[in-house]
Amino acid sequence: DAGVTQSPTHLIKTRGQHVTLRCSPISGHKSVSWYQQVLGQGPQFIFQYYEKEERGRGNFPDRFSARQFPNYSSELNVNALLLGDSALYLCASSLRPVNYEQYFGPGTRLTVT
Amino acid sequence: GENVEQHPSTLSVQEGDSAVIKCTYSDSASNYFPWYKQELGKRPQLIIDIRSNVGEKKDQRIAVTLNKTAKHFSLHITETQPEDSAVYFCAARDTGFQKLVFGTGTRLLVSP
Repeated sequence: DAGVTQSPTHLIKTRGQHVTLRCSPISGHKSVSWYQQVLGQGPQFIFQYYEKEERGRGNFPDRFSARQFPNYSSELNVNALLLGDSALYLCASSLRPVNYEQYFGPGTRLTVT
Repeated sequence: GENVEQHPSTLSVQEGDSAVIKCTYSDSASNYFPWYKQELGKRPQLIIDIRSNVGEKKDQRIAVTLNKTAKHFSLHITETQPEDSAVYFCAARDTGFQKLVFGTGTRLLVSP
């Protein structure tokens, strides 16, 4: 029974670089959401995708972008990295956007130096 | 948009005691309220949730109550065990679109 998977587990980047994070939802789930969790805080919503279309965007700059593929996996891209982008990036999947339960992946720990 | 406040930020109890964590929300139209448990270095795990048409829900040692009039909901853990030690997050579903808005978390420590 595969849950939500994310890669890579950990990542260290330098300011100004670009990063791509990947997520595979639970089998049968068609909606993927991305959250940023800074140490000591609750997750903050970044994006939601359903059927390859963006269904929601949080209060994040245009340096953050995402997409969803035909197999419902998703990528989160962050350009021009800043020190403040250091965080745990979580992917959550749900059957559909209107289905309430969201299940989180293990996250990608991004450190920007 | 939705805003969720969570109290207390830390909670220490003795094994076997009960623990209560409280959250308030701002959007009276919010209709879904999940609770997540996050152990150190691990993913948030959905432990219980409640919808706005229900006032209380129980699952073994955990329960959630919802007061729509006051716009607050609470997590109750009875007969706490050391393995209950973790950070607990409440959340509310923003009716603007399908995102969850999280509280700031409660660090629960259960001492043997």
